[in-house]
Amino acid sequence: QKEVEQNSGPLSVPEGAIASLNCTYSDRGSQSFFWYRQYSGKSPELIMFIYSNGDKEDGRFTAQLNKASQYVSLLIRDSQPSDSATYLCAAYPGGKLIFGQGTELSVKP
Amino acid sequence: GAGVSQSPSNKVTEKGKDVELRCDPISGHTALYWYRQSLGQGLEFLIYFQGNSAPDKSGLPSDRFSAERTGGSVSTLTIQRTQQEDSAVYLCASSSSGWGFSYNEQFFGPGTRLTVL
Repeated sequence: QKEVEQNSGPLSVPEGAIASLNCTYSDRGSQSFFWYRQYSGKSPELIMFIYSNGDKEDGRFTAQLNKASQYVSLLIRDSQPSDSATYLCAAYPGGKLIFGQGTELSVKP
Repeated sequence: GAGVSQSPSNKVTEKGKDVELRCDPISGHTALYWYRQSLGQGLEFLIYFQGNSAPDKSGLPSDRFSAERTGGSVSTLTIQRTQQEDSAVYLCASSSSGWGFSYNEQFFGPGTRLTVL
C-alpha cells in the first residue's frame, strides 16, 4: 500500500461545477497535509495546507481533513478552465513530505 | 526575493556518462529536498538535507545516485553511469523548517529535465 494514495484521474468537470479531489494516507503520525497544484511542464506550487480536523477555506478552495479516517480532500468551487492541472496531495509525518501520485483535473468550458 | 533555482534546465546525456545537477535554495532555508518525477507520475523523494544533520538518503534508488550540500546552501545531485530509466525531471525544493515542525511548506525550483539516450 502506498503511503499517500490519490485517484490518478483524469477527473473532468464542467466549468462552474465543484471539483472534489480525494486523498488517503497510511501514517497516523502525519501532522499536516498539503495540496499542491502542478501545471503541465511546471513545478508544483502550494495551494493550501491543513493540520486540524475539519474544513479550511481559502477563496474557492476548501481543504477537509478527517484524521480518524485518514482522509484529506480538496474542493474547488466554481471551477475554471485555468484550474485544469494535476493536484498533488502530500502528508507531513516530520522531515520530508510524502506525495501521492496526483490527480489530473480537467475543467471543460 | 529569488526563489529556488536549478541548473541546467535541460540535460541530454549518453548512457553511461555521469551528470551533475545543481540546486540553489532560497536564502536562509535550512531544509533542502531532491525529488524525481517521471512522465505522468508523482514526486519520488530522493534525499533530504536539514541544516548540519546527516542527510536522509532513504529515497536514493541506487548507489549510482549521490548528493551533497556545501556550506548549508547549494546542493549537487550526481548520477553516475546514467541509465535510460534515469530520464526524468529532477526537482529541488527548500523550506525554512524541517523535522519537528508541524508545518513545512516546500518551495520548488523549475526542475532539470534529464534525458539519457
